[in-house]
Amino acid sequence: DTAVSQTPKYLVTQMGNDKSIKCEQNLGHDTMYWYKQDSKKFLKIMFSYNNKELIINETVPNRFSPKSPDKAHLNLHINSLELGDSAVYFCASSRGIGEYNEQFFGPGTRLTVL
Amino acid sequence: AQSVTQLGSHVSVSEGALVLLRCNYSSSVPPYLFWYVQYPNQGLQLLLKYTSAATLVKGINGFEAEFKKSETSFHLTKPSAHMSDAAEYFCAVSEDGTASKLTFGTGTRLQVTL
Repeated sequence: DTAVSQTPKYLVTQMGNDKSIKCEQNLGHDTMYWYKQDSKKFLKIMFSYNNKELIINETVPNRFSPKSPDKAHLNLHINSLELGDSAVYFCASSRGIGEYNEQFFGPGTRLTVL
Repeated sequence: AQSVTQLGSHVSVSEGALVLLRCNYSSSVPPYLFWYVQYPNQGLQLLLKYTSAATLVKGINGFEAEFKKSETSFHLTKPSAHMSDAAEYFCAVSEDGTASKLTFGTGTRLQVTL
C-alpha cells in the first residue's frame, strides 16, 4: 500500500564503493524526483524525471546517475562514494508537470559512507 | 532566483499555545509556496500550499498560512499546539509550477512542551 517506497532504508558502505538506491511509486504519477538532505536538514533537489525523461538536473557530480526504467521507478546509482555523500536521500513523485501537483515523498534512505 | 528563509531553526511552545513558524521568500515572479512537515525518520508530507488563489490557506492538522506579498512572507500558524505537532517544518517555493522545482528553506524544528 506504500505510495512511494525506497530500498534500502539504511545503507552503510566504504569510500570508493558503488551503490544504488531504488525508488518505486504506485500512484500512477508521471514525474519523479531525487532529493538530498544533509546533516543540517537542508533539502535540495538533485534530479527530476517526467515520463522517463530527465527534466531537472541540478549541479550534481557525475558520480551520481539516475535511471528510470519506467514511469514507476527512478533509481539512483552512485559511483566512487565519498564521505560527503553521507546524507538522507528522498525520492518523491507527482502527478506531472504543466501545473503544480503535490509531491509525495518516500521514507528516505540514510546513506553512511565510512 | 528563488529562495526561502526560515527564521528560527528551533521553536519551542507549550501545549495549547499558538504556533508561529516564519517563512520569507524571494522570487522574481509570483510564487507558489508550500509548507511541508517531516516527522522523525519519515519523509516529508504536504501541510498546505499557496498557488495564487486565496491568500489565507488552510491545511491539514489545523495549520494555516497567510500569503502577504507586501511582506514577502508565508508564515505558518496553528492556534493551539499539540504534542503530536513536534516535528521539522519546511517552507518551500516554486517559481515554475510547470516543472515543480521546489527550493526548500533550512527547516524549523518545533518542540512542544507540557
